[in-house]
Amino acid sequence: DTGVSQNPRHKITKRGQNVTFRCDPISEHNRLYWYRQTLGQGPEFLTYFQNEAQLEKSRLLSDRFSAERPKGSFSTLEIQRTEQGDSAMYLCASSPRTSSTLLSYNSPLHFGNGTRLTVT
Amino acid sequence: DAKTTQPTSMDCAEGRAANLPCNHSTISGNEYVYWYRQIHSQGPQYIIHGLKNNETNEMASLIITEDRKSSTLILPHATLRDTAVYYCIVRVAGSSNTGKLIFGQGTTLQVKP
Repeated sequence: DTGVSQNPRHKITKRGQNVTFRCDPISEHNRLYWYRQTLGQGPEFLTYFQNEAQLEKSRLLSDRFSAERPKGSFSTLEIQRTEQGDSAMYLCASSPRTSSTLLSYNSPLHFGNGTRLTVT
Repeated sequence: DAKTTQPTSMDCAEGRAANLPCNHSTISGNEYVYWYRQIHSQGPQYIIHGLKNNETNEMASLIITEDRKSSTLILPHATLRDTAVYYCIVRVAGSSNTGKLIFGQGTTLQVKP
C-alpha cells in the first residue's frame, strides 16, 4: 500500500500524559498537513509543512501541541499534558508540489486513516 | 475563506443516481470546488474537483453552474458502499498557497437497499 500511513491507529492515554503520533506521507509528496476531527464534525486544519518547514499553524494548535517533519519525510505530532478535550481523530494528509504554481494548487490532498486518541 | 452550504443529510435508493447539492455563492474566480467523502472510521477520500467546466471521472460527475455559485456531485449508480459523509470544499486561495482544505459539516448520504 503506497498511501498515507498513520501510527498508531488507536491510542488510549490518561490525562496529563504525553502522546506522539507518526505520519508517513506518500513518497515524494513534499506537502504535509495535520487535521483534527471530533465526533460529528468535519476535519479541522492544524498545521502545514512544505518539506521540513512548518509554514502555517492554526490557532487550534495550542502550546501543548508540537509537530515536526525532520528531513522532510515522515512527521510527528506530539501532545503534552493531554486533556480530555484532546480526544479526537488526528488525520494526516499529503500532496505533491510541482514546479508550476497552478498545478500544485490543483493537487488533491491524500489522507491517511487517522489516529484515534482517547484521553481518560 | 469562501464557505459552502450543504444539506445535512440525504437518502438515495441503491442503484439510483445520487445528486448532492452545494452552494458556494461567495466563491472567487480562481477558487476550485473540491469534493471529498468520508466513510466511517476512515480518512477523507478525494472524489473530484473543478473550476468552471463540468468534470467526470470513474467515481462521479461534477456539475458547476455557469455563475459558479453552486454545484452538484452526481454518483450515477449509488451502492451501499457509497454511504458516507460528503464534503463540498472551496479551496483556499492566497499568496501563501498552502493548499489546505477547510471542511464544513458535509452531507450524510444514506444509500438504502
